[in-house]
Amino acid sequence: LAKTTQPISMDSYEGQEVNITCSHNNIATNDYITWYQQFPSQGPRFIIQGYKTKVTNEVASLFIPADRKSSTLSLPRVSLSDTAVYYCLVGESQLGSGGSYIPTFGRGTSLIVHP
Amino acid sequence: ETGVTQSPTHLIKTRGQQVTLRCSSQSGHNTVSWYQQALGQGPQFIFQYYREEENGRGNFPPRFSGLQFPNYSSELNVNALELDDSALYLCASSLLREILSTDTQYFGPGTRLTVL
Repeated sequence: LAKTTQPISMDSYEGQEVNITCSHNNIATNDYITWYQQFPSQGPRFIIQGYKTKVTNEVASLFIPADRKSSTLSLPRVSLSDTAVYYCLVGESQLGSGGSYIPTFGRGTSLIVHP
Repeated sequence: ETGVTQSPTHLIKTRGQQVTLRCSSQSGHNTVSWYQQALGQGPQFIFQYYREEENGRGNFPPRFSGLQFPNYSSELNVNALELDDSALYLCASSLLREILSTDTQYFGPGTRLTVL
């Protein structure tokens, strides 16, 4: 199971772009990379998922280099409401192979957006 | 389409008691996972149920048990509660297929359990 490493905390200001990088040196060939956002006393919320290169949706972009040993979540023009903890997960479902997927959350990156 | 719901929102128990937490999966999902999240930590995987059978388990003792019902709702049972069981318990539903696939999980709001 691939382990991930993220910065413990980051600070930013409203209107700036924020990039959070996650290291996953032992990512496996079939692993996907998924990012979640969590506000205090709420469940994590899916943000974005990717396998390689770049993925973009209405809230974020995910950049994955060719070696896939890291990924960067990019939040454009953050606002105060983006203050949250962001988690990077690496893995896949293995139901077909008879295995099971055990998702592993680290401590995440606590992002604080200042006025 | 309804999201994942959990009940109760908050719960206070004393050491040694038993507790049952409930979760209703998002419509169309066939898999439910349970997590324990202590204050300041990331969610820790307890177990996952697929088609009413356990499909994976984290590092939790047998006094943590679960059930998944035909309508894909689920229960988490914890026996002999300990002080360290105080945490936010999260339920997440997803759609697993019979082939290798990604597992995007949709979380409920959680149940805050306090053990005194």
